Parts: sequence; structure tokens; C-alpha cells
Amino acid sequence: DIQMTQSPSSLSASVGDRVTITCRASQTITSYLNWFQQKPGSAPKLLIYATSTLQDGVPSRFAGGGSGTDFTLTINGLQPADFATYYCQQTYRTPQTFGQGTKLEIK
Amino acid sequence: QITLKESGPTLLKPTQTLTLTCSFSGFSLKTNGVGVGWLRQSPGKAPEWLALIYWDDDKRYTPSLQTRLTISKDTSKNQVVLRMTDVEPADTATYYCAHRGKYPILNAYYHVFDHWGQGTLVTVSS
Repeated sequence: DIQMTQSPSSLSASVGDRVTITCRASQTITSYLNWFQQKPGSAPKLLIYATSTLQDGVPSRFAGGGSGTDFTLTINGLQPADFATYYCQQTYRTPQTFGQGTKLEIK
Repeated sequence: QITLKESGPTLLKPTQTLTLTCSFSGFSLKTNGVGVGWLRQSPGKAPEWLALIYWDDDKRYTPSLQTRLTISKDTSKNQVVLRMTDVEPADTATYYCAHRGKYPILNAYYHVFDHWGQGTLVTVSS
């Protein structure tokens, strides 16, 4: 299985901050990388697919980048609604695998 | 509007068989490229991909659970069923079904779970 490693595991930030979450794959996954946001008690919500394409309705303050094995999720100008847990997921090989998550908390 | 909803037992004993049903609307599993997957999430952990069934009845399973899982579809009822045999406490989790969407990128299509059900919590305990 392809292992996905996110860093940091948790992050404290303030409204208005810019934050970056990193995701690293154990082997190349080209651009087959997605980002999900999850809030307590809810299902994961797709934010970004194919590394950098925003899902419909996702604010433009979210941005994804990278290729190969190293990827980033950047949130510019944090809003209160953005405090949640974020997961990366690779869909290059079955089984699809997720990173362990990054919990974004309010400072 | 695509919606999915999971249903099934909330409590099972070890060695029993878990049967979960995903009822969906807003799309057809007869449409080329469409799929429905099952994932689960243990408390405080990342989601885990379990199985996927395609419009053409092709199926994929996560290798670690392949011998215990069976996925099937009933297109007339708009349902997908996941069966897991010989459950154990480690199978306690929230189980989700999700729609595998198809998005054009460059000269190809990209597939991703774009709509998820609300999830159903399954507890395995003696």
C-alpha cells in the first residue's frame, strides 16, 4: 500500500492567518492527490482533487500544489469555518489511502 | 442532487456478519464511469477505503480485508450492499458510502469520492 504522511499532525492558528499542510507519499502518485475537510460528527468533504482543482463551491482561499511525492494544502486568510481536520488521499493505486490527518485549531 | 445514506445494524457481537446498505439518489449506477465505494473511520483515525463497485459490476477490495468483504449492487433499487463476515471489536467504526465522481481533466477523466453519506456507527462488542 502507498503510505501517506501528513505534517504537522496538529496546528494552531488565528483567523486571518495563512497556513500550509504538507502531505508526502511513500512513492510517486503523480497528481492523484485529493484533500478533504472533516468537522466533528460529519463526513469528510472534498475540497481539492487532482492536486490543485477546487471542488465546486470551495472558496478560493484554499489552494493545492505539488506533484510526484510531495504535496501541499494552503489556506490563505483563515476563516472560523476552516477550523477542522484535513486529510490527504491518494487515488493513484488501490487501495486508496489517506494521510493520518492534520487538526487545525484556533489559537 | 446526489445523496447517499447508509443503513444497517448499530451493534454486533464478534464473529457475526455485518450487512450495510447504501441507498442513493441523484445518479445511476448504470452510467459509464460511475462507482460507489465504502469507507470506514475508527474514532480519532483517518478514513480507510474498503471496497468499490463500478457501473459495469467490476469490484475492488482493500487487500487486508478482501477475504471478509463482499460488495454488490441493485441498480433497480439504487442500492449498494457491503457485507463483512466474522466481525471483531477492531471493526468498530463509522461506515460511509460515497459516490465516485468523474471529472474531465486534460484529455482524460479523474475519479474521486465527491459525495459521501452521513455515516453509520457500527459497534462490535460481546
